[in-house]
Amino acid sequence: AQRVTQPEKLLSVFKGAPVELKCNYSYSGSPELFWYVQYSRQRLQLLLRHISRESIKGFTADLNKGETSFHLKKPFAQEEDSAMYYCALARGPSGGYNKLIFGAGTRLAVHP
Amino acid sequence: NAGVTQTPKFQVLKTGQSMTLQCAQDMNHNSMYWYRQDPGMGLRLIYYSASEGTTDKGEVPNGYNVSRLNKREFSLRLESAAPSQTSVYFCASSEALWGTRVTEAFFGQGTRLTVV
Repeated sequence: AQRVTQPEKLLSVFKGAPVELKCNYSYSGSPELFWYVQYSRQRLQLLLRHISRESIKGFTADLNKGETSFHLKKPFAQEEDSAMYYCALARGPSGGYNKLIFGAGTRLAVHP
Repeated sequence: NAGVTQTPKFQVLKTGQSMTLQCAQDMNHNSMYWYRQDPGMGLRLIYYSASEGTTDKGEVPNGYNVSRLNKREFSLRLESAAPSQTSVYFCASSEALWGTRVTEAFFGQGTRLTVV
């Protein structure tokens, strides 16, 4: 069965410091991987997905199939990055990709 | 543009009572989802519907039932509420059709349910 693991519940950094939020997954096939973010009093929203290979708000994430990881990185954290971050995997039975599974989440706190 | 709308926003139930959480989306999406969010557990998938007329169990389906009423609406029912079902419930939708790749899921604002 597929699983998403985010080992850190809380990551606390100072403004300007580099950030890496860890995500590991277990799935034998080729998954679709995503990072979602939930800012205070806002809805959960997509931050980025691996297939797009994009940088959003300075964040990037690289899929490492050998290590089954999809870590989220940002070179210089900003206070407005403080939020709850969820790694997610999409894979379904019989080849479908509709089953969207989330990790436990990591709260990022950026201090001034 | 409303996106995904959940009702109610807050609810308190007594143990054993039943209730239905409503979810509707206006984006013509094919797939819809119900999650529960608990501290330290993240979002756990309860049920999902890959298309109108189909539903599948997620990670934690016990104690819940769902109905995909039409393409727009996906309801979650608690037949006999238990304190363990105290949680924040989120509905989501995505355009992905069965067998196609999920692009982006859009979420509702959540329903905070307390069972006493």
